[in-house]
Amino acid sequence: QKEVEQDPGPLSVPEGAIVSLNCTYSNSAFQYFMWYRQYSRKGPELLMYTYSSGNKEDGRFTAQVDKSSKYISLFIRDSQPSDSATYLCAMSPLTGANSKLTFGKGITLSVRP
Amino acid sequence: DAGVTQSPTHLIKTRGQQVTLRCSPKSGHDTVSWYQQALGQGPQFIFQYYEEEERQRGNFPDRFSGHQFPNYSSELNVNALLLGDSALYLCAVSRSRGGRETQYFGPGTRLLVL
Repeated sequence: QKEVEQDPGPLSVPEGAIVSLNCTYSNSAFQYFMWYRQYSRKGPELLMYTYSSGNKEDGRFTAQVDKSSKYISLFIRDSQPSDSATYLCAMSPLTGANSKLTFGKGITLSVRP
Repeated sequence: DAGVTQSPTHLIKTRGQQVTLRCSPKSGHDTVSWYQQALGQGPQFIFQYYEEEERQRGNFPDRFSGHQFPNYSSELNVNALLLGDSALYLCAVSRSRGGRETQYFGPGTRLLVL
């Protein structure tokens, strides 16, 4: 079993839809959780960074962490064609700066105009 | 890309050759991590450098080695290249003390081994 599992894709939604992206993990030592967005042929770009359980909102994006279920989610409201990219969840046991990040496989999202 | 530069952008090598990839963090980022991202996969951690020392290492063979310079820039060296080494190699930078506590990625170097 991989340490981090991410819902398989690809995912295609119409513009304006609410998108839910999910990851599960098996290592209970993970304390820091991140979502990265990666456009084709580019490096990953940090979207959200959270510590422990709870919700964090930033504009149209909401990150949710449920440590009891070992489950994290990213919600995108009012999705736009510019949101079309691959979304990667990542996590680490220590602060993300000093620890290796363990990534999910990524899910490719396409938002249709 | 958080001001991180990587060079070269693309590279083609043949099996058995050696390659050196470079990463330059922007000012204030003293920690450099390297990741390998195969096509259709998430990045896999290779190693992390801080104060010119390898601080952590992932599950990669000794063919993968690195170096960090006093100005915090870093190199990734891969010897005896295999076809399976074809991937996007990502450099990620962070600050060990202070600042946002996570890693910021460069644009990557795309390596093709023939």
